[in-house]
Amino acid sequence: GQSLEQPSEVTAVEGAIVQINCTYQTSGFYGLSWYQQHDGGAPTFLSYNALDGLEETGRFSSFLSRSDSYGYLLLQELQMKDSASYFCALNTGFQKLVFGTGTRLLVSP
Amino acid sequence: NAGVTQTPKFQVLKTGQSMTLQCAQDMNHEYMSWYRQDPGMGLRLIHYSVGAGITDQGEVPNGYNVSRSTTEDFPLRLLSAAPSQTSVYFCASRGDRGAETQYFGPGTRLLVL
Repeated sequence: GQSLEQPSEVTAVEGAIVQINCTYQTSGFYGLSWYQQHDGGAPTFLSYNALDGLEETGRFSSFLSRSDSYGYLLLQELQMKDSASYFCALNTGFQKLVFGTGTRLLVSP
Repeated sequence: NAGVTQTPKFQVLKTGQSMTLQCAQDMNHEYMSWYRQDPGMGLRLIHYSVGAGITDQGEVPNGYNVSRSTTEDFPLRLLSAAPSQTSVYFCASRGDRGAETQYFGPGTRLLVL
């Protein structure tokens, strides 16, 4: 099977940079995705890495290292609205995602 | 476009009752999925579909049935509700194979007493 580990909670201040790590175990996958979920809301797609390296989308960047079974999401210029839960997910098939347990990010003024 | 819609938003059932959670998308997406999310947990895949008439089981399929008679609709049926099925249910859809963005519906909160 597959499993993903993330820190349960991360705290940071407005304007700072924060990195949310994700380590995984899998026998095979197509890529690693990141989703944001505000309390009571639906997950929204942030980023996807099919290949090793860094993908940048505005203030968010995501990194994947298949040799290390490791990825991370980097959030820059943090804003209060970034307070949410962040999930990494392995893409194991056309419509099959395996999610981590999520990291709760708390941004303080 | 309305995107992915789900009904109802909230439902209370008694143990043993059956019900159908509705999911529809207006983006002409081939791929659709159902996930459940328990408190403080990530999402777990229940069933998924790669096109009309084609469905398959995910990680936690027991107690649930699905069908995909049209591209737009992907209902999830609870056969005989159990308290362990108390959860938030999300439907998701995705476009062609080159696009990795999953679009999630707003969710259905289900309480089984």
